Amino acid sequence: DIHLTQSPASLSASVRDSVTITCRASQVIGNSLAWYQQKPGKAPKLLLYFASRLQSGVSSRFSGSGSGTDFTLTISSLQPEDFATYFCQQYYLSPLTFGGGTAVEIK
Amino acid sequence: QVLLVQSGAEVKKPGASVKVSCKASGYSFTSYFMHWVRQAPGQGHEWMGLINPSDGSTNYAQKFQGRITMSGDRSTSTVFMELTNLRPDDTAVYSCARGIRLAHPSDYWGDGTLVTVSS
Repeated sequence: DIHLTQSPASLSASVRDSVTITCRASQVIGNSLAWYQQKPGKAPKLLLYFASRLQSGVSSRFSGSGSGTDFTLTISSLQPEDFATYFCQQYYLSPLTFGGGTAVEIK
Repeated sequence: QVLLVQSGAEVKKPGASVKVSCKASGYSFTSYFMHWVRQAPGQGHEWMGLINPSDGSTNYAQKFQGRITMSGDRSTSTVFMELTNLRPDDTAVYSCARGIRLAHPSDYWGDGTLVTVSS
């Protein structure tokens, strides 16, 4: 199975900060990587797919990059509604696998 | 709008089975696959498999082979996930999530169903 390692596991930031989360795959996955946002008790929300394509309706504050094994999610100018947990998912090979998540907390 | 409404929380004893439902609305039910994903407390998400509601074909993660059955009812736009021989480490939130195909992310997820396995 493809293992996804996310870092950091958590971070503290202030409103209007820019933050970057990384996701490293244990083998090459092309650009078959998605990023999700999840708030407590809520369903995950798809933010980006194919590493850098913004899902319809998602703020342009969210951007993604990478291919192969190393990927990043950047949130520019953090807003109060952005404090949540973010996780990556690879869909290059079955079984689909997920990163462990990054909790973005208010400093 | 697209909605995936799941059945309510369940409490089961070890060795029992659980069947979780996911009712879809707001889109063509047979045009999307449905994944099942679980998240144990304090853990990451784990993909369990998916079903093609159009023909009922399934693809299960090897870890769950022999214990899992996914099915669908086109008349009610509902998919089901049954897990047998439950163990305490099956305690998790189980979620359905639609995807256009296996090799594609899920754009809509259900709110999740908490299944607790405890004696």
